[in-house]
Amino acid sequence: NAGVTQTPKFQVLKTGQSMTLQCAQDMNHNSMYWYRQDPGMGLRLIYYSASEGTTDKGEVPNGYNVSRLNKREFSLRLESAAPSQTSVYFCASTRVTNEKLFFGSGTQLSVL
Amino acid sequence: KNEVEQSPQNLTAQEGEFITINCSYSVGISALHWLQQHPGGGIVSLFMLSSGKKKHGRLIATINIQEKHSSLHITASHPRDSAVYICAVPNSGGSNYKLTFGKGTLLTVNP
Repeated sequence: NAGVTQTPKFQVLKTGQSMTLQCAQDMNHNSMYWYRQDPGMGLRLIYYSASEGTTDKGEVPNGYNVSRLNKREFSLRLESAAPSQTSVYFCASTRVTNEKLFFGSGTQLSVL
Repeated sequence: KNEVEQSPQNLTAQEGEFITINCSYSVGISALHWLQQHPGGGIVSLFMLSSGKKKHGRLIATINIQEKHSSLHITASHPRDSAVYICAVPNSGGSNYKLTFGKGTLLTVNP
C-alpha cells in the first residue's frame, strides 16, 4: 500500500498564480486533513474533511479552498497565491478521529 | 485553544543515552499524539495514547491525564533517532479533528 500520496513535492509560484495540491489515500480512511508547517511554529490545520462529502475550516483557512472529491482524494487549492502562503504543506488521514495520523511526504511551496 | 509546551526545544545526546522529551498541555484531552519528523522528511506517527503507557521497540510514551503531561522516552539512543519529535492534542472545547501541535523537540544523537 502506498498510504498517503501527495503531489507535487516542490512548487514555485508567482504572486497571483493559482494551483492545486493533490492528496490521495488508499487506506479507506474517513477523515482527511491539510496542514501547513512554518519555521518556528507547530503544524497548523488549514481544512479538514471528517468524512466523504463534508469539509470544514481549520485554524488558518483564508486564501485556500478544498474539495473532497471522493473518499480517497482531498485537494487543496490556492486561487491567488501570496508570499505568506510560502510553506510546507502536509496532507494527512485517519480512519476516524482520535486514531493514528498518516501523513503524506509534504509539498514545499514557494510563492515569489 | 489547547496550549502545548514541549521541552526541551533542543537536545543533544551521545549514542546509548536514555532520552526524555516532555509535553504539557493546558486543557484536558481524550488522546495525545507523538510524531517523528526526520530532517527534510515526512512525518510519522509514533503513538496515540489516552492513558498509561505504550511501548514500541526502544520508544516508550507515557501520559498523566491528571497532571496534563506526557513524556516520550528513547532507550539506548542511536544516531538514526535524530529527528524532531512533536506532540499534538485536541483543541479545547472543539472537535477532536482539530489538533494543536507543539513546536517540536530537535534531538541530535551523536555517535
